[in-house]
Amino acid sequence: AQSVSQHNHHVILSEAASLELGCNYSYGGTVNLFWYVQYPGQHLQLLLKYFSGDPLVKGIKGFEAEFIKSKFSFNLRKPSVQWSDTAEYFCAARAGAGSYQLTFGKGTKLSVIP
Amino acid sequence: NAGVTQTPKFRVLKTGQSMTLLCAQDMNHEYMYWYRQDPGMGLRLIHYSVGEGTTAKGEVPDGYNVSRLKKQNFLLGLESAAPSQTSVYFCASSGYSLGNNEQFFGPGTRLTVL
Repeated sequence: AQSVSQHNHHVILSEAASLELGCNYSYGGTVNLFWYVQYPGQHLQLLLKYFSGDPLVKGIKGFEAEFIKSKFSFNLRKPSVQWSDTAEYFCAARAGAGSYQLTFGKGTKLSVIP
Repeated sequence: NAGVTQTPKFRVLKTGQSMTLLCAQDMNHEYMYWYRQDPGMGLRLIHYSVGEGTTAKGEVPDGYNVSRLKKQNFLLGLESAAPSQTSVYFCASSGYSLGNNEQFFGPGTRLTVL
């Protein structure tokens, strides 16, 4: 079965620090990849997605992610975090373009200290 | 355009009681999903539907039933609630086209079973 692993359970950063959250997936074929964010008390919102093409994907709010097929990774990055980035971040994967089921990682909680 | 809506937002049940959670979407999406979110577990798929009149089991279907009588609605039922079903429930929907099949999430229902 497909699985998604997020390396860090809780990350604490100061404002202006750089962020990288790790995500690895287990599926070997064509895969669609997503990063969702959940602000406290809110529902999940899509940050960015990768379907095909340029492996460096830019999303909203200055986030980007790089798809590295050889490493089965899709790490999320932001050069300078803000207090408003405090949230929980979920990586998700879907096997193949014709599939519709998402497998989520367990999430990484990010706390940004002003 | 409300997107995905869920009712109720909060509910407290006693063990053995039943209830139905309603999800509605106004994006004409074919696919709809029910997830539960528990601390440290990410989101786990309970049931999903690929079209009106169809339903299928996800990762954690036991104790839940679903129905999709209308394309825009997806109901999640608990026939006899148990404390282990205390969770936050999210509904999501997605379209069919390959370039636009990200999932859109509702605001969630926080359920406590005493």
